[in-house]
Amino acid sequence: ETGVTQTPRHLVMGMTNKKSLKCEQHLGHNAMYWYKQSAKKPLELMFVYNFKEQTENNSVPSRFSPECPNSSHLFLHLHTLQPEDSALYLCASSQAINQPQHFGDGTRLSIL
Amino acid sequence: EDQVTQSPEALRLQEGESSSLNCSYTVSGLRGLFWYRQDPGKGPEFLFTLYSAGEEKEKERLKATLTKKESFLHITAPKPEDSATYLCAVQANSGGGADGLTFGKGTHLIIQP
Repeated sequence: ETGVTQTPRHLVMGMTNKKSLKCEQHLGHNAMYWYKQSAKKPLELMFVYNFKEQTENNSVPSRFSPECPNSSHLFLHLHTLQPEDSALYLCASSQAINQPQHFGDGTRLSIL
Repeated sequence: EDQVTQSPEALRLQEGESSSLNCSYTVSGLRGLFWYRQDPGKGPEFLFTLYSAGEEKEKERLKATLTKKESFLHITAPKPEDSATYLCAVQANSGGGADGLTFGKGTHLIIQP
C-alpha cells in the first residue's frame, strides 16, 4: 500500500473515446503530479498541482486535460488520443514541492 | 535543460557481490537528487533524497552519495530481492520544470542467487 491509489489499473480505448484516469492520495500531501512512462524512455513530467492550483504544464497536448478538485484527488481526462499515447501513467504526491514524491502503481493505457 | 544519465543500463551480479550505480546530472541549480526503486508492474518507490555535495544516506544494503556532478548508489552484499530498476531524478531550484522531477532511464539490476 503506497498511500497513492490509481484507477483503473488497465485501460484500453479507441482513438475516438473519452475516458478519465483517477488518482487519490491518503497521505495528507499538498502537491500532486502526473507523469508518463513509455518503454525505453525516462519518466516524463506532465502536470503539477500545488494546493489545487496548476503550476506546470510540461508542453502536454490538449488531448490530455488535468483536473484537481481538492488536494487529495487528481484526474486526467483523455480524448482523441493517438497510438503513441499508449504508456504507463503515474500519479505522485508530495507534502510540498521540494519534498520526496510518492507514486501510485499507475494506469497502463493502450490506444487501439 | 536539465539532464540525468544513468549507467550502466543493466547490471547482473551474483548474490553478495557489491557494486555501484552511477547517476550523472546537469541542472540549473540543484534543489534535490532523488533515488527510487521500481519493481515490474509497480510505481517508483522512494529511497533517498540528497541535497548537497558530500551528503550520504544509508538504508539497509544501500548507500547513496552525492557530488556536484554525480551521485552513486552503492549496493553492499546484495540479495535477490534487491533486483529492480533503480531510478535517479533531479529537481532544479527554479525555472521551467522546477516543480517536477527530471528522471534518468534507470539501471536494471539483477541479483542472481
